This record gives sequence, structure tokens and C-alpha cells, in this order.
Amino acid sequence: DVKVTQSSRYLVKRTGEKVFLECVQDMDHENMFWYRQDPGLGLRLIYFSYDVKMKEKGDIPEGYSVSREKKERFSLILESASTNQTSMYLCASSFRTASGANVLTFGAGSRLTVL
Amino acid sequence: DAKTTQPPSMDCAEGRAANLPCNHSTISGNEYVYWYRQIHSQGPQYIIHGLKNNETNEMASLIITEDRKSSTLILPHATLRDTAVYYCIVRVAYNTDKLIFGTGTRLQVFP
Repeated sequence: DVKVTQSSRYLVKRTGEKVFLECVQDMDHENMFWYRQDPGLGLRLIYFSYDVKMKEKGDIPEGYSVSREKKERFSLILESASTNQTSMYLCASSFRTASGANVLTFGAGSRLTVL
Repeated sequence: DAKTTQPPSMDCAEGRAANLPCNHSTISGNEYVYWYRQIHSQGPQYIIHGLKNNETNEMASLIITEDRKSSTLILPHATLRDTAVYYCIVRVAYNTDKLIFGTGTRLQVFP
């Protein structure tokens, strides 16, 4: 089975701190994603990457950056954490089937609290 | 991508079939229908996808209407562990691979 591993399950940080959320996948998937999930808002896409050193903005990229130096690793960076970034962060990777369908595998999530 | 509409919540008795509907009336011919679910405090889990034909796997069945404007996910014998939020997503094949998740249907399976 594909495994997507997020480095931290729970984090507590202070306003203004720099925060790194790490995600590693073990199945050589091309595409990786960062979502955040908040009550009543569903999952919202922050950034995604379809290749090493490539990145695309999702729907809510403000306040975030990403890094993909190796195929298996996709990092989400909060340059200066703010309280409105308190959320559950979900990493995913995906493969495309021969027919063009796209199947995502998610990590367990990282719950970040910014005080 | 076509917009999807799902009821916010549903109940189902344990052991009975759970039928979760999804409306995607603006779907185009090359858009897949995907279903994922999210059990509390876990990441979403892929269930099934389809284009035109009905599909079945070890988790569920997907029934797509002939005009493709709606679909139904069927869990044939729901268990308490199927209590989760179920997301129906429509996405063009071979396009950029991001999937947009809505707020889904919260399925409560009761004893």
C-alpha cells in the first residue's frame, strides 16, 4: 500500500514562528498536494506539485510556501505563523491510471495550533 | 469542473445498504466521478471512481445514471465503522491533478 507520512501529528506554535510541515510518500508518485481542513469549510487546496521543483498555487496560497527538492518529499512552510492558520493540514500524493483518472492517497494529517 | 451537490447528512441502520446520492448535472463527457470518505480525525480515503459504467470494488458500488447527471455510492452492508463524511468529486481526466473537495455528506450508521 502507498504510504503518505506526515512528520508531526500535533504541533503547537507561537504567532510569528516559522513552521515546517513535512510530508513523505513512498510510491514514486509524481503529484503531491497540501490541503487544510476547517470545520464547515471542507478541504481547501493550498499548493500542489506535479514534479520536483515545480509548484502550483491552489485556492488559498496566501501565507504559505512549499518546497519540493526530492520527488518523495513535499514541505509546507508557514513563514510567520498566525492564529488564523490554526487548522488540520493534510498532505496527499496521487497517481494517474491508464485511463486518466486521478487517485489521491492522504496522510493522517497534522493538527497545528498557533497561539 | 462540474459542481457537485450532496445532502449534508444521512442516517443508516447497521447491516442495511447505505445509498449516498450526488448530483452533478453539469458534468461533461470526459469528467470522472470520484468518491472519498473521511473518518473522524483521519485523512480522506479513496473509495471508488467511474466515468460512464457502474463500478464495484471491495468497498462499494458506484451507480452512474445514463445521462451522467447524478450518481449513487452504495455501501451494501453498512457497519458502524462506515460512519464518516463522504465526498463526491468530479474532475476532468488528464487535466491538472488537483481535486476540489466540497463539504460532503455526513453518514451516521446506528446500531
